[in-house]
Amino acid sequence: EIVLTQSPGTLSLSPGERATLSCRAGQSVSRSNLAWYQEKPGQPPRLLIYGASSRATGIPDRFSGSGSGTDFTLTISRLEPEDFAVYSCQQYGSSPPTFGQGTKLEIK
Amino acid sequence: EVQLVQSGAEVKKPGESLKISCKGSGYSFTNYWIGWVRQMPGKGLEWMGIIYPSDSDTRYSPSFQGQVTISADKSISTAYLQWSSLKASDSAMYYCARLTAWLRFPFDYWGRGTLVTVSS
Repeated sequence: EIVLTQSPGTLSLSPGERATLSCRAGQSVSRSNLAWYQEKPGQPPRLLIYGASSRATGIPDRFSGSGSGTDFTLTISRLEPEDFAVYSCQQYGSSPPTFGQGTKLEIK
Repeated sequence: EVQLVQSGAEVKKPGESLKISCKGSGYSFTNYWIGWVRQMPGKGLEWMGIIYPSDSDTRYSPSFQGQVTISADKSISTAYLQWSSLKASDSAMYYCARLTAWLRFPFDYWGRGTLVTVSS
């Protein structure tokens, strides 16, 4: 199975700053089938990005995804207070689909 | 509005059986896969398996094959995750989620989760 490694484990930033989160795959992700989810306590995961760079319905354009092959990035251009959460990547192009361990984005 | 409504929290003893549910509404239940995802306390998400309610085609992660059973009753738009003999290590939050196409799309809608606690 494809192992996804996210970095950093924790990212401390202030509102208004730019956040860059990384997801590295142990082998190439088929068809750039890479998604990003946002997780908040007491809520189910929320799909942000699919196909490495397509925003899901209703997702603000400050969220963007990029990358291909084994290296993917989620960028939040200007952090809003509600963006502080855990972010997880998932590859869904190879069986079994797998998730990264998550990056916690916390307020500095 | 697409909704996945999961059954309530469960507290069980080791060795007991359990079946939790996920009821879909607001879309054609038989045209989408339903999957299950585990999240152990303080840990990341783990993909367990999926089922296509139309024909009950089921896929499991090797990590969960033989450990759980995924099923569905399309007549009541409900998917299930069951254990025949729970272990303490099964204590986790379990989410169901909708999938448009196997190996083509990610989960787009999620249930709010069912917390399973296994303790003697």
